Amino acid sequence: DTGVSQNPRHKITKRGQNVTFRCDPISEHNRLYWYRQTLGQGPEFLTYFQNEAQLEKSRLLSDRFSAERPKGSFSTLEIQRTEQGDSAMYLCASSLSGQGGTNEKLFFGSGTQLSVL
Amino acid sequence: KQEVTQIPAALSVPEGENLVLNCSFTDSAIYNLQWFRQDPGKGLTSLLLIQSSQREQTSGRLNASLDKSSGRNTLYIAASQPGDSATYLCAVKAAGNKLTFGGGTRVLVKP
Repeated sequence: DTGVSQNPRHKITKRGQNVTFRCDPISEHNRLYWYRQTLGQGPEFLTYFQNEAQLEKSRLLSDRFSAERPKGSFSTLEIQRTEQGDSAMYLCASSLSGQGGTNEKLFFGSGTQLSVL
Repeated sequence: KQEVTQIPAALSVPEGENLVLNCSFTDSAIYNLQWFRQDPGKGLTSLLLIQSSQREQTSGRLNASLDKSSGRNTLYIAASQPGDSATYLCAVKAAGNKLTFGGGTRVLVKP
C-alpha cells in the first residue's frame, strides 16, 4: 500500500492518560500535515512539517500536544494528560511541495479515532 | 481569516438526478481548491483539485467550476448513484500552505 498510513485506527483512553499516534506519509512526499475533525465538522489544521522542520502550529495545538518528524519520514502526534474534549478523529496528510503552490494536492490517511472516557 | 462555507449541509436525491454542491470562501487570494469525499468513520479521498487560474476542472462524472473573484465554487456530479452517498468536503489552500475546510455536505442518493 503506497498511501498515507495511520496507526492505530482507534484508541480508547481514560482522561489524564497520554496517547501517541503515528503517521507514515507517501514515501516521496516532503510535507506532512496533522488535522483534527470532530463529528459533523470539517477538519481543522493543527500543524505541518516540511521534511523534519515543523513550520506552523495552530492555536488549537495546546502545550499538551506535541508533534515530531525526526527524520523527515514518519511523524508522531502525542497528547499528554488527555481530556474529554480531545475526543476526535486525528487525520494525517502528505504532499509534495515541488508541485508548486497552486498544484499541491494533499493525500489523507484513514485517521485515528480517539475516544477519551 | 479565511472562512469556507458549504451549502446545503445535507442533500437527498433520487438515483439518476444530478447533484449540485456549493462552496464559498471569504478571501479570494487562494492557490487552489480541493474537493474530498469522506465515508462515515473514514479518512478523506481527493476527488478534484482546481487551481486558482482555472475556471473549470473535470474528472469523469464530476465537474468543478471556480469563480475566484466572487469566492464561489460548485461541484456537479452527473447521474448520481447510491455509491455517491457520502460527505463531500471543500477546502481552499492559501498562503501558509494549510487547507481550510468547509463543514461538508452530506449526500444521500436513494435507489
